[in-house]
Amino acid sequence: GNSVTQMEGPVTLSEEAFLTINCTYTATGYPSLFWYVQYPGEGLQLLLKATKADDKGSNKGFEATYRKETTSFHLEKGSVQVSDSAVYFCALSERSGGYQKVTFGTGTKLQVIP
Amino acid sequence: DTAVSQTPKYLVTQMGNDKSIKCEQNLGHDTMYWYKQDSKKFLKIMFSYNNKELIINETVPNRFSPKSPDKAHLNLHINSLELGDSAVYFCASREQRGGVDEQFFGPGTRLTVL
Repeated sequence: GNSVTQMEGPVTLSEEAFLTINCTYTATGYPSLFWYVQYPGEGLQLLLKATKADDKGSNKGFEATYRKETTSFHLEKGSVQVSDSAVYFCALSERSGGYQKVTFGTGTKLQVIP
Repeated sequence: DTAVSQTPKYLVTQMGNDKSIKCEQNLGHDTMYWYKQDSKKFLKIMFSYNNKELIINETVPNRFSPKSPDKAHLNLHINSLELGDSAVYFCASREQRGGVDEQFFGPGTRLTVL
């Protein structure tokens, strides 16, 4: 079956530091890949996505590139802010049994300190 | 306008009770989900409905019974609540039109079983 593996957190960074959260996946076909963000006390919301190999998703200064050769979709940001403190989920979506099924990673908590 | 809403936001109850959580989406999506998020933020899919039809039913105890009266609503009824049912339950709906594939999450229902 499909699976998504994320680096374990928590990740603690100082403001303006560079962020990388690793994500690798296993899928039988050609999935779409996503990063979702969950701010404290809220539901998940889509941060960025990529639908095919070599696509780069970007939003709010975050970027991730769909790398088929390494089955990875690492999340990066050049300069984090305190307001980026949240839990980040990598996910993939693939057709299974006639329907699209989404598989989430375990989440990585990011804490940015001033 | 709230896209995906859940009630109640908090639910505290005794072991053995039966409770329901309601979910409504006003986005016109065909597919809705229930997820369970544990204290470590791990997100696990429980059920998915497409146009009122159950399409995903993960290994969830049969004490959990989803009901979809129409495609805008997906409710979750839980019988004989146990301590291990304590978690945050998220409802989500999914848009898949014109290549867009995104899940929209509700704010969550924090269930505490005493």
